[in-house]
Amino acid sequence: AQSVSQHNHHVILSEAASLELGCNYSYGGTVNLFWYVQYPGQHLQLLLKYFSGDPLVKGIKGFEAEFIKSKFSFNLRKPSVQWSDTAEYFCAVKGGTNAGKSTFGDGTTLTVKP
Amino acid sequence: DAGVIQSPRHEVTEMGQEVTLRCKPISGHDYLFWYRQTMMRGLELLIYFNNNVPIDDSGMPEDRFSAKMPNASFSTLKIQPSEPRDSAVYFCASSLPGQTQAFFGQGTRLTVV
Repeated sequence: AQSVSQHNHHVILSEAASLELGCNYSYGGTVNLFWYVQYPGQHLQLLLKYFSGDPLVKGIKGFEAEFIKSKFSFNLRKPSVQWSDTAEYFCAVKGGTNAGKSTFGDGTTLTVKP
Repeated sequence: DAGVIQSPRHEVTEMGQEVTLRCKPISGHDYLFWYRQTMMRGLELLIYFNNNVPIDDSGMPEDRFSAKMPNASFSTLKIQPSEPRDSAVYFCASSLPGQTQAFFGQGTRLTVV
């Protein structure tokens, strides 16, 4: 069975600080990886996704993520966060025989202090 | 397309009452998911359908919960009887097979008092 682990439960940063949120998955086959963002009071929205090709994926709002197959990781990064990035971030994986199902991590709450 | 549509947006009900949440997936999407989100447990997958057929309902917490998908454009999640610990935001999502993202609805915030 596939699983997703997000190491940081809650991250607090000041504006302009750099961000890296960890995500590791367990599945040996081909996977598709996603980062979703949920702003306060809103539903989940796609931030970026990896299917194949260049392992460095660029998403919206200056976010990027790097797929490192050997480490089963898909960490999310942003060089300089803004107050408006305060949200909860979820890593998700789809793959294998259960290709229709998305497995989500527990989420990381990011608080950016102005 | 209007996206995944859920109704109602908010529901407040008394303990013991029946609650029905509704979802209209994006047209053409043949996967539909029901999730529950709480502060304590985060985002939990309750059940998902493929072509209107329930594939995995192992996340449904109790027999009080049931879900149906009578056709490709409509699904319901029912709680009967409801309890205060069912209070949560319930999200519906739909997707195409395999390599695409899941699209989420706005959610239904359920409060059971």
